[in-house]
This record gives sequence, structure tokens and C-alpha cells, in this order.
Amino acid sequence: DAKTTQPPSMDCAEGRAANLPCNHSTISGNEYVYWYRQIHSQGPQYIIHGLKNNETNEMASLIITEDRKSSTLILPHATLRDTAVYYCIVRAVYNQGGKLIFGQGTELSVKP
Amino acid sequence: EPEVTQTPSHQVTQMGQEVILRCVPISNHLYFYWYRQILGQKVEFLVSFYNNEISEKSEIFDDQFSVERPDGSNFTLKIRSTKLEDSAMYFCASSEGGRPFSGNTIYFGEGSWLTVV
Repeated sequence: DAKTTQPPSMDCAEGRAANLPCNHSTISGNEYVYWYRQIHSQGPQYIIHGLKNNETNEMASLIITEDRKSSTLILPHATLRDTAVYYCIVRAVYNQGGKLIFGQGTELSVKP
Repeated sequence: EPEVTQTPSHQVTQMGQEVILRCVPISNHLYFYWYRQILGQKVEFLVSFYNNEISEKSEIFDDQFSVERPDGSNFTLKIRSTKLEDSAMYFCASSEGGRPFSGNTIYFGEGSWLTVV
């Protein structure tokens, strides 16, 4: 699985959009981009995933560049409860049982 | 919303003792996983399990560890003779499977804290 690069930490003001970048320059055509978050040692929580197209759900939006070498997770209106470590992970499409490999992630602090 | 449940939430055990951590995956899921996270470190993959056998394991998952699906609902991780360095949060996870090329999402439980003293 391709590796990802994320900034170690970011701050965001409450109520503003949080934009978390991720580089995955070695991603291959059959790999999804997944985002998870972990709030204070709780279990990792699934947020969203995508292959090529931008995706949106009730939690967030995922913007994937046309060349697929990077993506951005957008939390449209960050709240204090969004303070967490956010992980960007790539995982092979065909590997339906394949593991997720976690990096260090981005520690997002949402401040009042 | 269906969820992965784990018991116990916290266990303290003496070094050398056997520990069994239990998990109830989401009911229609076919793939099961154990991960661990040592305090302050990354979440690390231990093992994946499908069709009643291990499908992949990491270097961490040595002979001290074993997994089992003893019935239709539980999935267990056994540590045979615990060491101090086994102290960690252990996460169980599951995914639906059965749909190649569709991105089967892995869902995690809240974890079991294991403290070895």
C-alpha cells in the first residue's frame, strides 16, 4: 500500500472549515483514500473514503486531486468535539479484507 | 447504528498470565481484525481473520498471540503469557467483505486497555 504524508498538527477556529491535507504521491490506480479519526485513545472512527471523485457525507467532504497524488479532508464547520488525530490511509481496492496501515496522522485542535 | 463491541474495557493482569480479549463484530461482517496501540504510539495492525483462519498477520503477532472465533458472534484475542510490553489498547475491528472493488470499510470497537504489571 502507498504511503501518505500529513502535517503533524493543525489548529482551526471553532465554526470555521478545517482543511486537512494529505499527500499520497505514490498511490496506484487501484487504491482508495480513507480518512479516520481518533479522539483521545478511543477506537479509530471511519469518516469517509474515495477513489477518484470527490465525496461528501454527513461528517465531511473529501477532495481528491485529478492526478490523485493528494487529497483534502474538509470538516465544514469544525466544533470542539472535532479535536482529534486524523489519519489519511490508502488501501487497495481489490483487497477487500486488507489491513489499514496507520501513520502518525494530523493532530487537529479546534479552538474556541 | 451497528457497532463493534469489546470486553473488558480495562484489564489489569500480572506478567506471565494469560489474557483473553473479546469482541463482537458487526453481525453481517466477514473480516475481523485486531490492532493495538501502545500509549503515545501509532495504531498497529496485528492480525486479520477470514473464513475461520488467519489471512494476514504482522511481525508483532508472534506465538504468544492467537485468535479464535469460538461461535457465530465472538472473536477473541488470546495472549498466552503476558509481558510488560504487551500493555496497550487493543482494538477489534470488522468489515463486511463480499464486495470486491467497492472499498469495504473497516469499523473499530472502542478498545480494551490491557495493563500488565
